[in-house]
Amino acid sequence: ETGVTQSPTHLIKTRGQQVTLRCSSQSGHNTVSWYQQALGQGPQFIFQYYREEENGRGNFPPRFSGLQFPNYSSELNVNALELDDSALYLCASSLHVSGGGLSYNEQFFGPGTRLTVL
Amino acid sequence: GEDVEQSLFLSVREGDSSVINCTYTDSSSTYLYWYKQEPGAGLQLLTYIFSNMDMKQDQRLTVLLNKKDKHLSLRIADTQTGDSAIYFCAEPLNYQLIWGAGTKLIIKP
Repeated sequence: ETGVTQSPTHLIKTRGQQVTLRCSSQSGHNTVSWYQQALGQGPQFIFQYYREEENGRGNFPPRFSGLQFPNYSSELNVNALELDDSALYLCASSLHVSGGGLSYNEQFFGPGTRLTVL
Repeated sequence: GEDVEQSLFLSVREGDSSVINCTYTDSSSTYLYWYKQEPGAGLQLLTYIFSNMDMKQDQRLTVLLNKKDKHLSLRIADTQTGDSAIYFCAEPLNYQLIWGAGTKLIIKP
């Protein structure tokens, strides 16, 4: 258990609808990243939020948007849903860790939300 | 390019060692990850290795890093049925992780 929670676990929508997915980050983490994982593929980076600001974005259209709240929880919104948006959506919160003269950001993943678009 | 490459499948007998390979893209990556994903579950961090190391051992797991060839491997000793999962290598690029497509580890009795 990573302490990162996501809701809902499963969701079914139809084309053209809008969806909001939610993520609560691990206590003390101030950075949240969202990934899309299509069936049989590795995760693809959507965007990252740090202290309520978008900190970086992958190759996703503007109909994918997000928010981060003062308590560092986050939302992913997708407008005008398309069939290809069907995927597992993963949220990860980050903790910065240093060691051995190098540093790395350890990302802790939630269980994901399975979105099906019909 | 930005592709992290892995073989899609690996089949091993229970009790044997599993070796999962990955080729990454950026020789300046300061660390690399191995994640595990069980069916219907999210991603679990298995281990990581800093780029100034060429080997890291953690119980049954051994990570080998060849920076010259940009090759990373994960060895699982004494593979058990509970090791059945998809294994991803991932490298950091700025603020994101770049992932391979994952290697599905199949355990034969």
